[in-house]
Amino acid sequence: NAGVMQNPRHLVRRRGQEARLRCSPMKGHSHVYWYRQLPEEGLKFMVYLQKENIIDESGMPKERFSAEFPKEGPSILRIQQVVRGDSAAYFCASSPPGRGGMNTEAFFGQGTRLTVV
Amino acid sequence: TQLLEQSPQFLSIQEGENLTVYCNSSSVFSSLQWYRQEPGEGPVLLVTVVTGGEVKKLKRLTFQFGDARKDSSLHITAAQPGDTGLYLCAGRINKLVFGAGTILRVKS
Repeated sequence: NAGVMQNPRHLVRRRGQEARLRCSPMKGHSHVYWYRQLPEEGLKFMVYLQKENIIDESGMPKERFSAEFPKEGPSILRIQQVVRGDSAAYFCASSPPGRGGMNTEAFFGQGTRLTVV
Repeated sequence: TQLLEQSPQFLSIQEGENLTVYCNSSSVFSSLQWYRQEPGEGPVLLVTVVTGGEVKKLKRLTFQFGDARKDSSLHITAAQPGDTGLYLCAGRINKLVFGAGTILRVKS
């Protein structure tokens, strides 16, 4: 059973370009989280999705950032018109459907390191 | 404002020493998880604690969940250089939120 797969591992974009980060959850997992991490800091929550639904996007910047988790295919985090401040590691985690909704464990991918030049 | 406060932020110790990392909140969590992250990698789940007062041991690591389910601690006995990394606690209310982490460096 493959783990959470993120690609690409490294992504370089020029200012103003678009960045698309992909996350394939573990088999059987229907919940996906996206987090952003700066060097030697913790993970900042961005968005929580279930298949075809955004459950909580309270951590997403209001502009330029969007996320989706379609019925088929990976979850996508999309950053339009990237700026240098978007440079960071972006991690995806997946978890199975909750038993009572609460005590499920999340497993992480290896992240995508975005560098904006 | 951080929902989960971790302390200390940074810890540098000699091989063989013991240490404790703390994770505190004013919120009650249904479960709390500890992760370890090495540079360039994603966080790896170490343990999940669910019941107030619960203690779990993983070799030299001991995890405790507070009685009120608002705080947790991670104790490492006889630290080794391989324990070096970023230790993160995460709590679930309606989504999984993380503390800022404790950077641990164990020197040989």
